[in-house]
Amino acid sequence: GIQVEQSPPDLILQEGANSTLRCNFSDSVNNLQWFHQNPWGQLINLFYIPSGTKQNGRLSATTVATERYSLLYISSSQTTDSGVYFCADNTDKLIFGTGTRLQVFP
Amino acid sequence: ETGVTQSPTHLIKTRGQQVTLRCSSQSGHNTVSWYQQALGQGPQFIFQYYREEENGRGNFPPRFSGLQFPNYSSELNVNALELDDSALYLCASSMSGGAETQYFGPGTRLLVL
Repeated sequence: GIQVEQSPPDLILQEGANSTLRCNFSDSVNNLQWFHQNPWGQLINLFYIPSGTKQNGRLSATTVATERYSLLYISSSQTTDSGVYFCADNTDKLIFGTGTRLQVFP
Repeated sequence: ETGVTQSPTHLIKTRGQQVTLRCSSQSGHNTVSWYQQALGQGPQFIFQYYREEENGRGNFPPRFSGLQFPNYSSELNVNALELDDSALYLCASSMSGGAETQYFGPGTRLLVL
């Protein structure tokens, strides 16, 4: 099956910094989703982005399906952005990546 | 519009026991998927129910079973609990049995002693 790798595994930022998280796929991507898992375990949908670019406030995502990767940009990070970010390929079931753990300090 | 809900929030069981976890899907959704998330890992797909029928299963043994009811709520049952079953169990609902956007509940934390 498809393998999903995320980088970096861990990221520590000061409030206000920008960051880029990457998701690489071993095979063709069908429908990609980005999630944020907060410290209490809740998975929150960020983007459903099979291809192209989407923006939502300080977050934006770009998927280049032909090159098997997706990027999540976080600008002007806040402490509430802390948690684990997952990308997942959605082919009726979600195949999750390894996650990027983000810690934002004031 | 109500979101996905799960119960209980936390549960402690001993090895060999059986457990039932419950999930209510988001309003208008007819598909429920269950995932197991061990500490420090990404969620792993257990199975999916679409219109009360199992619609795909991950690499989990038969002691993991499920049900979906006519109102599209769902149960996950685990028999003969093992220590490695300790995890966060997440359910997600979506509009159809295909690759639609899935929305997650808050999860049930299961500890097996």
